[in-house]
Amino acid sequence: DVVLTQTPVSLSVTLGDQASISCRSSQSLEYSDGYTYLEWYLQKPGQSPQLLIYEVSNRFSGVPDRFIGSGSGTDFTLKISRVEPEDLGVYYCFQATHDPYTFGAGTKLELK
Amino acid sequence: QIQLVQSGPELKKPGESLKISCKASGYTFTDYAMQWVKQAPGKGLQYMGWINTQTGKPTYADDFKERFVFSLETSASTAYLQINNLKNEDTATYFCARPYSGLDYWGQGVMVTVSS
Repeated sequence: DVVLTQTPVSLSVTLGDQASISCRSSQSLEYSDGYTYLEWYLQKPGQSPQLLIYEVSNRFSGVPDRFIGSGSGTDFTLKISRVEPEDLGVYYCFQATHDPYTFGAGTKLELK
Repeated sequence: QIQLVQSGPELKKPGESLKISCKASGYTFTDYAMQWVKQAPGKGLQYMGWINTQTGKPTYADDFKERFVFSLETSASTAYLQINNLKNEDTATYFCARPYSGLDYWGQGVMVTVSS
């Protein structure tokens, strides 16, 4: 199975700072159709996860442009510029290229 | 608007069975598959598998091949997760989610507690 390693495990930020989360895959996530099915989710306390980014860098409808996904192959990054209070929670990367699909272990974004 | 509405919390004893529902609205149910995700208390998300809503064919991740059953009632736009022979380690919140470009819509989750 594909293992997604997220770092850091937790990230303490000041509002307005930039935050960066890494997701490294144990194998390339480029599918045979040329697409890379790497997604990012945010789970706020007591809520269901919500989709932020799909196919590495595409923001889901309504997601602010301060969320930027990038990467290729096995290395991916989610950057959040100018962290706002509603951005706090746990971030997960998820790969839907190789069956079984897998989640990273999560990165908790909290206030310093 | 698109919604996935799941059934209510469950309290069960070890060895019992349960069936959780996930009712979709706001889109054509059979145009999209349905995925299931487990989250144990205080833990991360775990992919369980998915069901093809056109054919009813389920696909299970390795940890969920034994006691877990995905099913459908397409006339009611509803997907089900059944867990048989419940164990303490099944205590978790179970989410359904619609896969399209990403898991774009999620149910609110069903909290399942297994305790003697």
